[in-house]
Amino acid sequence: DQQVKQNSPSLSVQEGRISILNCDYTNSMFDYFLWYKKYPAEGPTFLISISSIKDKNEDGRFTVFLNKSAKHLSLHIVPSQPGDSAVYFCAASAQETSGSRLTFGEGTQLTVNP
Amino acid sequence: DTGVSQDPRHKITKRGQNVTFRCDPISEHNRLYWYRQTLGQGPEFLTYFQNEAQLEKSRLLSDRFSAERPKGSFSTLEIQRTEQGDSAMYLCASSFSGYSPLHFGNGTRLTVT
Repeated sequence: DQQVKQNSPSLSVQEGRISILNCDYTNSMFDYFLWYKKYPAEGPTFLISISSIKDKNEDGRFTVFLNKSAKHLSLHIVPSQPGDSAVYFCAASAQETSGSRLTFGEGTQLTVNP
Repeated sequence: DTGVSQDPRHKITKRGQNVTFRCDPISEHNRLYWYRQTLGQGPEFLTYFQNEAQLEKSRLLSDRFSAERPKGSFSTLEIQRTEQGDSAMYLCASSFSGYSPLHFGNGTRLTVT
């Protein structure tokens, strides 16, 4: 039962362009959503989050969009930089029923080409 | 360094041996989590603590796995009678309660031969 899905295993973009990473979820109880970045041999690093009462949250080059009716969220990175090359994980939690326990997607490998 | 610390970084063991991993969370955080990650997958939840109380365990956590968090500070994860299928990255994370992101350590890479 994959409650959080990232359907694109990989994405390649040119430096300076926009990177758009997508994530779908099935559990309507999820009310807190996060994106993490992971480099090889390191743990996931928190990037940005959004609660279900919002539809957009921005932090510098990173913006997360939430479409609750479609159970879809996306991460936009503008402009993309070579240092952004990493695996990106979408995660979600249902705060009322499972505390801060996160359910992760499978990840998307982003490659930003110079 | 005030991040989440895990020890050891790498562990190679023979099948059937017991192993123990340690996690030191960010000191102000009251919640501590263990996750497991295998190649090509996202982290999978194993268990979490609020202070010293273990509040939830995943069905992935067989009876060979046990976790403790004495005094609500550091935590240990023990795997008894290791199997080759236990080979994975074991990640620890900590957070505040509520709508708060988890902060992960760099993990312990376990290889069971």
